[in-house]
Amino acid sequence: SAVISQKPSRDICQRGTSLTIQCQVDSQVTMMFWYRQQPGQSLTLIATANQGSEATYESGFVIDKFPISRPNLTFSTLTVSNMSPEDSSIYLCSVGTREKLFFGSGTQLSVL
Amino acid sequence: GEDVEQSLFLSVREGDSSVINCTYTDSSSTYLYWYKQEPGAGLQLLTYIFSNMDMKQDQRLTVLLNKKDKHLSLRIADTQTGDSAIYFCAEGMNTGFQKLVFGTGTRLLVSP
Repeated sequence: SAVISQKPSRDICQRGTSLTIQCQVDSQVTMMFWYRQQPGQSLTLIATANQGSEATYESGFVIDKFPISRPNLTFSTLTVSNMSPEDSSIYLCSVGTREKLFFGSGTQLSVL
Repeated sequence: GEDVEQSLFLSVREGDSSVINCTYTDSSSTYLYWYKQEPGAGLQLLTYIFSNMDMKQDQRLTVLLNKKDKHLSLRIADTQTGDSAIYFCAEGMNTGFQKLVFGTGTRLLVSP
């Protein structure tokens, strides 16, 4: 399994600001994904981070709000822009093989 | 659309067996997964089963799949207090091999 490092592990942010979350993998991976877990809820896929091209967003998520970078096969960032309290969630980076999906430890974001 | 449902809560005594159930709707799912989430942590892949299998056993874990009824279960034998966590089932959508749809999660509480 891949070792996925995510930072920051938690942050408390002010409304209207932006936060960039970093995800580093210890090996080259083709597929990287970003998920959101709202308080007490399940996980929802935000987007697929594609290396060398724009991310593919799921319904309900847009690039202006959640810009994603994927400069190489081991690294990706997710930015949560112009934050509001509704953005308070755990954001998780994940990487996949053909059969399995592995997760980082997540970033706990609280927006005041 | 895809929908994966689980009961919200299960309480067992240490040493008993735990059975966590899950129903899903997409009959074209290729893989089905069980993840464990401990407080403040990311998701840990526990086990997974290919959709043409009925059962998979891995040490204390037994996965049963009834494809006709779209029912998946996870049995934990000799449940320990360290097994207390939230357990998510997920189905791998046929449109992409790692695009997972997660269930609502079952909180397992193991009492001494």
